[in-house]
Amino acid sequence: AQKITQTQPGMFVQEKEAVTLDCTYDTSDPSYGLFWYKQPSSGEMIFLIYQGSYDQQNATEGRYSLNFQKARKSANLVISASQLGDSAMYFCAMREGWEAAGNKLTFGGGTRVLVKP
Amino acid sequence: EADIYQTPRYLVIGTGKKITLECSQTMGHDKMYWYQQDPGMELHLIHYSYGVNSTEKGDLSSESTVSRIRTEHFPLTLESARPSHTSQYLCASSPWGEGEQYFGPGTRLTVT
Repeated sequence: AQKITQTQPGMFVQEKEAVTLDCTYDTSDPSYGLFWYKQPSSGEMIFLIYQGSYDQQNATEGRYSLNFQKARKSANLVISASQLGDSAMYFCAMREGWEAAGNKLTFGGGTRVLVKP
Repeated sequence: EADIYQTPRYLVIGTGKKITLECSQTMGHDKMYWYQQDPGMELHLIHYSYGVNSTEKGDLSSESTVSRIRTEHFPLTLESARPSHTSQYLCASSPWGEGEQYFGPGTRLTVT
């Protein structure tokens, strides 16, 4: 079974509007971490936001926020006020277990976002 | 600002050649990783290391090998390149106690 599922292969969003990227995960480990990365066409991976399984509040970083619904095992990324530079692939990833045990990440298939002017 | 470097950025090479992809980081991170990514697809972990003289195979089987003789250096070697090795290879590192991985710019390998 897929550990990280991103059901939206691609989507368009109008500049200045908000967009939500879906991510569901599957783990039986009570301790885990969820990450979102952005990959522009140049290929590098840019870290956006992190949510720990025991964090009480949803993570926020500037225009990025993570809608963490633990019971549903979802960790959707919300980008507010989209900019043309937000056009990229976005990957959801999960680390299972405690941080001290290792940081191996499992990635989802990604969602391609294209921001229209 | 993350300081992790990969060379070369692009490489086109013939079948059967031996190649080494370089990865170096100046942050003193103990943990380092190699991922393979086909265009527009997910990343797959192929090797990782938790410190000097520590190397492990990742979730995706790979014909490549790695070494970790120095903390800052984690090269990946293909003894005999094949067209099926054509892909992007991303190196990453992270310190103990933090989940975030810092990625290098990647090497786009084409084997003809």
